[in-house]
This record gives sequence, C-alpha cells and structure tokens, in this order.
Amino acid sequence: DVKVTQSSRYLVKRTGEKVFLECVQDMDHENMFWYRQDPGLGLRLIYFSYDVKMKEKGDIPEGYSVSREKKERFSLILESASTNQTSMYLCASYLTPGLAGPPYNEQFFGPGTRLTVL
Amino acid sequence: GENVEQHPSTLSVQEGDSAVIKCTYSDSASNYFPWYKQELGKGPQLIIDIRSNVGEKKDQRIAVTLNKTAKHFSLHITETQPEDSAVYFCAALKGTDSSYKLIFGSGTRLLVRP
Repeated sequence: DVKVTQSSRYLVKRTGEKVFLECVQDMDHENMFWYRQDPGLGLRLIYFSYDVKMKEKGDIPEGYSVSREKKERFSLILESASTNQTSMYLCASYLTPGLAGPPYNEQFFGPGTRLTVL
Repeated sequence: GENVEQHPSTLSVQEGDSAVIKCTYSDSASNYFPWYKQELGKGPQLIIDIRSNVGEKKDQRIAVTLNKTAKHFSLHITETQPEDSAVYFCAALKGTDSSYKLIFGSGTRLLVRP
C-alpha cells in the first residue's frame, strides 16, 4: 500500500513565524506535490517536484518555498506565515508511468495538515 | 492554462436516488480524468478514472462518462447510500515530457439523506 504521511494533522502558528510542513512517501515516487484546499476553491497546486532537487511552481507559489533533498521527502516552507495562509495543506505523490505499464497512475494523497495562522 | 469547472458545488439526495456531478475542461490536450472522494478528516482518494480514448467506464454503483468533443465528463452514482456522503473532486491530467499535473475542479459536497 502506498503511504503518504504528513508530519502534523493540526498546526497553529503566529503571523511572521517560519513554518515547515513535511511530507514523506514510501513508494519511490518521482513526483510529489503540495496543494492547499480552501472551501469553494478546490485543490490549488502550490509547488511540485518531479525529481530530487527539482521543483516547479504551481498556480499559487507566492509566499511559499519547497525543498526536495531526498526522493521520499518533500517539504513546504512558509517563510513568514500570514493569516491568509490559514488553510488545509495536502501533499501527494505520483509514479511516472513507465513504457511497459499503464499510461496513467494514481496520485496518492496524504491526510492533510490543517494550518491556522493567528 | 488548463481550467476545470465542476457543478454543482453542493448536492443533496435521498438515499437510493442517483447523483450526478459534472465537469468541463478547457485544454483539449488533457487525456486522463480521475475522480476523487474526500471523506471528513482524510485526504482525497481515487474512486474511478477514465482515459480520453474511452467514452464510459463503470465500477459497481459508480460510472464516469466522457464527451471529448464537448470537453465534458460526469460522475454518476446510483443507489446512493449514506456512506457516499463526502466531497468529490474531478480532475484533468496534463502531461508533458518532464512532469504530470492534475488540475482539479472546485469540489462537490454530496449529502445522502437516510
């Protein structure tokens, strides 16, 4: 079973704090993603990484950075947390389809971290 | 860029009735369309998917249809049960040589009344 774990289920931080959200997957997936989920807005992609030390901006990267030093771990960093970053954060991983297998693979999500910035 | 619109945002049905959720996408290059179910306190989980070379796919009480010409795809749940109550997300995959990105709809909160 693929497992995507996130370091915290609930987190409360103060405005201006530096915040680290950690995500670990145990299935050797190349691709990892960070989304934020807000009511009525669905899942919006913040950053993604398709290999170690590689990263690409998603749709809403402002105020965030990421780190992928090891294949299994993808960290989301809020350099200076603000109240508008209060949200549910979801990590996901995805195995790049191989030539011999099905052309599409399932993207697996972690349980989420609900972050509140006061 | 790719955009996925999902309707309705909320849906309430009586147990045993059918539920239909509809999505449209903008990028004709999208070629894979998964549906995710998110229960309270959990991350989204894949429940069914469809590829662009297929018009319909069924798995027990769940079916998905795709109209590539109109860029529409829909989720159909028959004989709904209270445990079907959740938030459902549609998505469209856009793949490039180096990366794959899912573009999600805004979600539908389904409530099945006993």
